[in-house]
Amino acid sequence: QQQVKQSPQSLIVQKGGISIINCAYENTAFDYFPWYQQFPGKGPALLIAIRPDVSEKKEGRFTISFNKSAKQFSLHIMDSQPGDSATYFCAASIMIQGAQKLVFGQGTRLTINP
Amino acid sequence: DAGVTQSPTHLIKTRGQQVTLRCSPISGHKSVSWYQQVLGQGPQFIFQYYEKEERGRGNFPDRFSARQFPNYSSELNVNALLLGDSALYLCASSFVPRDRPNYGYTFGSGTRLTVV
Repeated sequence: QQQVKQSPQSLIVQKGGISIINCAYENTAFDYFPWYQQFPGKGPALLIAIRPDVSEKKEGRFTISFNKSAKQFSLHIMDSQPGDSATYFCAASIMIQGAQKLVFGQGTRLTINP
Repeated sequence: DAGVTQSPTHLIKTRGQQVTLRCSPISGHKSVSWYQQVLGQGPQFIFQYYEKEERGRGNFPDRFSARQFPNYSSELNVNALLLGDSALYLCASSFVPRDRPNYGYTFGSGTRLTVV
């Protein structure tokens, strides 16, 4: 099953708070899990990514937690800022016949209130 | 450095017409992928091209076709447009189909296609 389920659909967090977005997958052939940030009128921009042999990756205020046994991963945004307001997509990568295919979640619209 | 450039930025077509969308990858990138993003959803994989050959195709009808040119730019063609083809069409480039160590694409800003 090549689906990635993402929740919540929308999230409102106060400035300085922690934003948490969750994703789950079924296909164990996925071997790379990136998160993308998308602003209105723009394409998705790679934010941070993790491989399944790592349980956590941190880059600045952004952290991915990965639970391979549960087939779940999450994005944590620490000290959330109004500039973080955007739509966030989790994705999972699979190689099929020499092509890299990204399967995206449905997206989470994050609003950071000042 | 120029990023991934797509043209046109916006397009309005009538049902049944044909459309061609264009993409120029980042200089040096040889792989181009196309994604369709319907409003309110995540992007869906359409094609990946590498060295002018189709390497992968998503679950899209034969009305969708693409090609890659010797300079690695790419065109996506959609024939017999349906209302449901209205979406943001995204092009992404990478050096090879899967770049190490980041494994990530760089996306363009997309072409917003509206079918009326």
